[in-house]
Amino acid sequence: GENVEQHPSTLSVQEGDSAVIKCTYSDSASNYFPWYKQELGKRPQLIIDIRSNVGEKKDQRIAVTLNKTAKHFSLHITETQPEDSAVYFCAASINMLTFGGGTRLMVKP
Amino acid sequence: NAGVTQTPKFQVLKTGQSMTLQCAQDMNHEYMSWYRQDPGMGLRLIHYSVGAGITDQGEVPNGYNVSRSTTEDFPLRLLSAAPSQTSVYFCASTDHYEQYFGPGTRLTVT
Repeated sequence: GENVEQHPSTLSVQEGDSAVIKCTYSDSASNYFPWYKQELGKRPQLIIDIRSNVGEKKDQRIAVTLNKTAKHFSLHITETQPEDSAVYFCAASINMLTFGGGTRLMVKP
Repeated sequence: NAGVTQTPKFQVLKTGQSMTLQCAQDMNHEYMSWYRQDPGMGLRLIHYSVGAGITDQGEVPNGYNVSRSTTEDFPLRLLSAAPSQTSVYFCASTDHYEQYFGPGTRLTVT
């Protein structure tokens, strides 16, 4: 089955800096790659996703890039704010989602 | 449109007890799934369903049963609770790609 690895497990940045989280996946048939943000005690919420037919997608301060040849994809957050502090999960899907282990992002004011 | 709902929000069980976690969605999604999330960890797939009457095992199915008699409901049954099943359980339904999560059930087994 699919295996998704996510790095780093924790990331601390200064407010206003950029943050990058990387994921690799094992199954070349995966065709959908979402990113979720989970605040403490809450459910995961989709923040951005990308399908295998595109290489990059942006939505305001967040962007995702996909390299299908290398089987990795990344989340980029620019101009980070304290409210960006949360745990972020990547996932890969053929028909059901397989999640990475999560990255705890801390944005220091 | 309530989305995905789960009951109960919190539950404490003794070892060996059984119970059912309820999940319902009103979006007419065919795909539904159950995940568990242990402290500081990612989400692991327990069971999933691609439509009424069809279920399949995920990554960590042992100790859990599911059924899908209607499109709306996808209950998760713990047969004989064990302390290792202490976790937060999320139900989700999927619209082809995007997955919508319920609010979760926090289960403690003593």
